[in-house]
Amino acid sequence: EVQLVESGGGLVQPGGSLRLACAASAFTFNIYEMSWVRQAPGKGLEWLSYISSSGDTIYYADSLKGRFTISRDNAKNSLYLQMNNLRAEDTAVYYCARIGCTSTSCFDYWGQGTLVTVSS
Amino acid sequence: QSALTQPASVSGSPGQSITISCTGTSSDVGAYNYVSWYQQHPGKAPKLMIYDVSNRPSGVSFRFSGSKSGSRASLTISGLQAEDEADYYCSSYTSSSTWVFGGGTRLTVL
Repeated sequence: EVQLVESGGGLVQPGGSLRLACAASAFTFNIYEMSWVRQAPGKGLEWLSYISSSGDTIYYADSLKGRFTISRDNAKNSLYLQMNNLRAEDTAVYYCARIGCTSTSCFDYWGQGTLVTVSS
Repeated sequence: QSALTQPASVSGSPGQSITISCTGTSSDVGAYNYVSWYQQHPGKAPKLMIYDVSNRPSGVSFRFSGSKSGSRASLTISGLQAEDEADYYCSSYTSSSTWVFGGGTRLTVL
């Protein structure tokens, strides 16, 4: 069964950095595009970033303003999100999601999420 | 990129049908047939229910269906069941090669 397991969340002070990881299993990771999506407490889903299967093509939501960096290591079946200069409004559960479906336009599998809390 | 517009809440009785709307623009919902819908129960990860406007992934009940007209997409749930009570989110691929979600709709089964 396809599994995505996020890690790396926790409590961080404003201005700090955190690196999230997403370990993938039970599918051929290196042929799938991936994304990060977050959900602030009590709020809706927010798409953050996309990375192609090879890692050559990357897109970000405008709201991130260059503070976040997505990457992947296909040899390790892992997806990453480096988050810098964190702000209180970045507090959220962060999900990694596989981009699937016939048109590679939807998120067909999601991890359980990892909570990031930005607070002093 | 502004969020897609969904009603904050909808409700229905068991056995009834409900429809959740999702309104976007010509740059997202209206641009492609790449609208998907997700169900999220409290404390759980989202689950894909509909993709490419009207396709159901394997394992999703036939009671869930999707449609689109112009820049407005809809999710219909027929034969409401207690387990359908959850938050529902629409999403669309955009002309900027990004994705956008709706604000979410809380479905209450009365």
